[in-house]
Amino acid sequence: AQSVTQLGSHVSVSEGALVLLRCNYSSSVPPYLFWYVQYPNQGLQLLLKYTTGATLVKGINGFEAEFKKSETSFHLTKPSAHMSDAAEYFCAVSDNTGNQFYFGTGTSLTVIP
Amino acid sequence: SAVISQKPSRDICQRGTSLTIQCQVDSQVTMMFWYRQQPGQSLTLIATANQGSEATYESGFVIDKFPISRPNLTFSTLTVSNMSPEDSSIYLCSVGEGAAGELFFGEGSRLTVL
Repeated sequence: AQSVTQLGSHVSVSEGALVLLRCNYSSSVPPYLFWYVQYPNQGLQLLLKYTTGATLVKGINGFEAEFKKSETSFHLTKPSAHMSDAAEYFCAVSDNTGNQFYFGTGTSLTVIP
Repeated sequence: SAVISQKPSRDICQRGTSLTIQCQVDSQVTMMFWYRQQPGQSLTLIATANQGSEATYESGFVIDKFPISRPNLTFSTLTVSNMSPEDSSIYLCSVGEGAAGELFFGEGSRLTVL
């Protein structure tokens, strides 16, 4: 079975600072990788995804993530944090059939003014 | 991407009662999924609902407690039966789309059981 590990259940950054949210996965086959964001009292919204091709993927709201196969990682970054980025972020992985999804435990991002 | 509407968005219920959550999608989809998100935790898949067949439940979830209907390709319901405070959670409906089967979610139904 696949698993997803998000290091750091809570991350705080200052407004304007770099955002780095870590995600590692275990998979015996090339996976599909996703980042989702959940704003307070809302459902999950897809930020970005990696399937094949370029390993650096860009998403909405200035976020990007890089797939590093050798490190089995898919960390999420944003160069400059904004107050509106405060939310819960979930990393997810699926097999290449898309039939099984595995979510990480989530990272709560706080942005300090 | 599909637009997914859930009702109710939130409810407060008494112990021992049942609540049915509705999920409406604006396009026809093959697979619909129901997730539970307990306070401060990640998502746990309850079941997969395909139209015209019985829902497939994950380990730890049973049909008697979480009966699901899928009458057509745009609609599904999840019932939380004989509720207890431990059932207080966000229940999320989702559909799989796209080449990677990425999931899209409704806004969630926030259930509090007293």
